Amino acid sequence: AQSVTQLDSQVPVFEEAPVELRCNYSSSVSVYLFWYVQYPNQGLQLLLKYLSGSTLVKGINGFEAEFNKSQTSFHLRKPSVHISDTAEYFCAVSRSGGYQKVTFGTGTKLQVIP
Amino acid sequence: DGGITQSPKYLFRKEGQNVTLSCEQNLNHDAMYWYRQDPGQGLRLIYYSQIVNDFQKGDIAEGYSVSREKKESFPLTVTSAQKNPTAFYLCASTDRTGQRTEAFFGQGTRLTVV
Repeated sequence: AQSVTQLDSQVPVFEEAPVELRCNYSSSVSVYLFWYVQYPNQGLQLLLKYLSGSTLVKGINGFEAEFNKSQTSFHLRKPSVHISDTAEYFCAVSRSGGYQKVTFGTGTKLQVIP
Repeated sequence: DGGITQSPKYLFRKEGQNVTLSCEQNLNHDAMYWYRQDPGQGLRLIYYSQIVNDFQKGDIAEGYSVSREKKESFPLTVTSAQKNPTAFYLCASTDRTGQRTEAFFGQGTRLTVV
């Protein structure tokens, strides 16, 4: 079975400051990893994904994430946040080698302070 | 453009009533999912379906029912047996191929019991 842990339920950060949202996963097989963003009263939309290859993945809106197999982590980073980045962010894992249901973390609310 | 459509966006239900939430996709995806989202609890899987006429219970299936008579449609019925149905409900779908397993989401239905 796979699981995802997002250690921080809320992260406040000042505008133009860097941010890191943490995600750790556990799985006995190879996985695909994803970060999604959810704005209030909206569905989730994909920020970025790791399938294979380079461990540094770049996504939309200036976000990037690094896959670390030894630490089983997939932390999301942005060097300078904007007010518009205020949203909830979800890390997710899916097993590779076949399609399986996606497992989501509990989410991290990013609050950007002007 | 392809996507997932959920309707209605807002739904009010009296106690003891069954209600059905609609989910339609034109992405030609095989797998579809229903999630429930409550504050601080992230996404919890209610039911999922990997193929027409087949579906499996997720983590919180009690008080819910689904059908999958067509590939494009995966309606969710919230029955009177669901003790606390007030929540935000999200429908999602995934491609069955191994390389594109990110989930695509609808905009959600907010259900309130009055």
